[in-house]
Amino acid sequence: GAGVSQSPSNKVTEKGKDVELRCDPISGHTALYWYRQSLGQGLEFLIYFQGNSAPDKSGLPSDRFSAERTGGSVSTLTIQRTQQEDSAVYLCASSFRWNEAFFGQGTRLTVV
Amino acid sequence: AQSVTQLDSQVPVFEEAPVELRCNYSSSVSVYLFWYVQYPNQGLQLLLKYLSGSTLVESINGFEAEFNKSQTSFHLRKPSVHISDTAEYFCAVSDGNAGNMLTFGGGTRLMVKP
Repeated sequence: GAGVSQSPSNKVTEKGKDVELRCDPISGHTALYWYRQSLGQGLEFLIYFQGNSAPDKSGLPSDRFSAERTGGSVSTLTIQRTQQEDSAVYLCASSFRWNEAFFGQGTRLTVV
Repeated sequence: AQSVTQLDSQVPVFEEAPVELRCNYSSSVSVYLFWYVQYPNQGLQLLLKYLSGSTLVESINGFEAEFNKSQTSFHLRKPSVHISDTAEYFCAVSDGNAGNMLTFGGGTRLMVKP
């Protein structure tokens, strides 16, 4: 596809379960970002991948959160032992070098 | 590390009035600047960008922003707003000295009233 694709679009999970969120960036984009956005709030940076460099994980809120990017393309954000405060929209974006980032439509995660 | 400050969390304004949404970033030699817009219940989309050249950049829907290096600012302006401009606006900076990582401000909610 032409844009950033995220799946699933919606995810409802029980507290304590693990979830995996997937992001397919635009082909050729070297940078990939994960953010989360709580209702009515701004963007909270989670993690940044740039090419083959070590990712910037400084935004991950706890060790329950992890992300990987395989082959410089698809990325998976994993949240272990989900908590209710993890409920948010998780946004993925990709860019080429310093150019603008293109965002996916997000995954709305609800922890019940 | 780069930081981006949007001084106003909310800006209420009447339709057809002018508006300015402020954005300041921490100093850096090499920056690229962006404004994103998020309409209600929609995703983020690019509004305009400054990469190089003229410091005044414009969008297709009448917004403009000016890169001011001495004041490390990239304020967004529109001379006459419409109801349809009601949205959340995010300023972002790509720092060439930080691997071109994109840093976002906290956002400004523009509320246009009839």
